Amino acid sequence: GDSVTQMEGPVTLSEEAFLTINCTYTATGYPSLFWYVQYPGEGLQLLLKATKADDKGSNKGFEATYRKETTSFHLEKGSVQVSDSAVYFCALRRGFQKLVFGTGTRLLVSP
Amino acid sequence: DVKVTQSSRYLVKRTGEKVFLECVQDMDHENMFWYRQDPGLGLRLIYFSYDVKMKEKGDIPEGYSVSREKKERFSLILESASTNQTSMYLCASSLQQSYGYTFGSGTRLTVV
Repeated sequence: GDSVTQMEGPVTLSEEAFLTINCTYTATGYPSLFWYVQYPGEGLQLLLKATKADDKGSNKGFEATYRKETTSFHLEKGSVQVSDSAVYFCALRRGFQKLVFGTGTRLLVSP
Repeated sequence: DVKVTQSSRYLVKRTGEKVFLECVQDMDHENMFWYRQDPGLGLRLIYFSYDVKMKEKGDIPEGYSVSREKKERFSLILESASTNQTSMYLCASSLQQSYGYTFGSGTRLTVV
């Protein structure tokens, strides 16, 4: 079945450092790919998405590129802030079926 | 903005109790979902519904049931709560032909 694998956390960075959170997937066909973010004490929010190969999703300084050849959708940000501390979930969806989530990666940013 | 409201942020129940978790969305979404979130396991789908009075089992339905009598409301029922159901429960909704889910803030349930 479909699955998503994310890097283990926590990822600990200093403010203004470069962020990469790795995500790879296994799915038949051409899934849509997503990154969701969960701030402390809140539900998940959609951060960005990409619906076809080579698409780049971007939002709030975060970016991820849909790489079909490597089945990856790595999340990047050039300069993280303390307010980016959260749990980040990679997810996929084939057609309009249910979302399949990775296990989440906790990001901790210190001043 | 679409709002998904879960009735309780924190809940403490005793083993064997029947527990109701309520979720209401205000934007006429067809699809609604219940997930549980546990450390190291991510989000796991319990049940979902594509329309009123319809329900489908997710990946971990055992010990749970659901009810969707009205389009805007999707209830998760723990028939006889057990300590291994202590978890964060998240409700979500989406349009039928839409990619994005909108999540509620979650209910942290503790079964003692």
